[in-house]
Amino acid sequence: AQRVTQPEKLLSVFKGAPVELKCNYSYSGSPELFWYVQYSRQRLQLLLRHISRESIKGFTADLNKGETSFHLKKPFAQEEDSAMYYCALNPSGGYQKVTFGTGTKLQVIP
Amino acid sequence: ETGVTQSPTHLIKTRGQQVTLRCSSQSGHNTVSWYQQALGQGPQFIFQYYREEENGRGNFPPRFSGLQFPNYSSELNVNALELDDSALYLCASSLDVGDKTQFFGPGTRLTVL
Repeated sequence: AQRVTQPEKLLSVFKGAPVELKCNYSYSGSPELFWYVQYSRQRLQLLLRHISRESIKGFTADLNKGETSFHLKKPFAQEEDSAMYYCALNPSGGYQKVTFGTGTKLQVIP
Repeated sequence: ETGVTQSPTHLIKTRGQQVTLRCSSQSGHNTVSWYQQALGQGPQFIFQYYREEENGRGNFPPRFSGLQFPNYSSELNVNALELDDSALYLCASSLDVGDKTQFFGPGTRLTVL
């Protein structure tokens, strides 16, 4: 069975401080990992996916297969980063059965 | 380019009733997935449709069923509603079944009394 764990419900950081949102997964095959973000009163949207290996809005995430983790990081938090963040796992291949974590609310304190 | 739309926005039903939720995919997208998001939880995968056929299902009972139409719009039907069905129902479309990038709709808030 596939599982995604986000251990923190709420993460509060000061503006300019580094951010790390934790995500651990359990899956026997080769998963694809994603981070989704939901800003206040907006719909859920894709932030980044591990296969793209890109930085979006200053955020990066590296897939660590040894530790089965996909933590989201940003060196300097901005107030506009305050949002709900969800880590998600999708099995590789054409079949989709996406598993989301329970989400972490990031609060950036001015 | 039109994004994913869902209707209605809110819905109130009583236990035992049936409900139909609707979703219009983003233009050009032939794959749609439905999710249930209970309060304080992440979205839970219900099922996916690709070219009018079910292409995967999560751990939901058969009273949750779906349809996808030739224009790739979609419906989620829930029979014999239970109190625990109260949730936000999200629809997400993707360009093709192999494309894992999903675009979400705003959701339908269902309350079962």
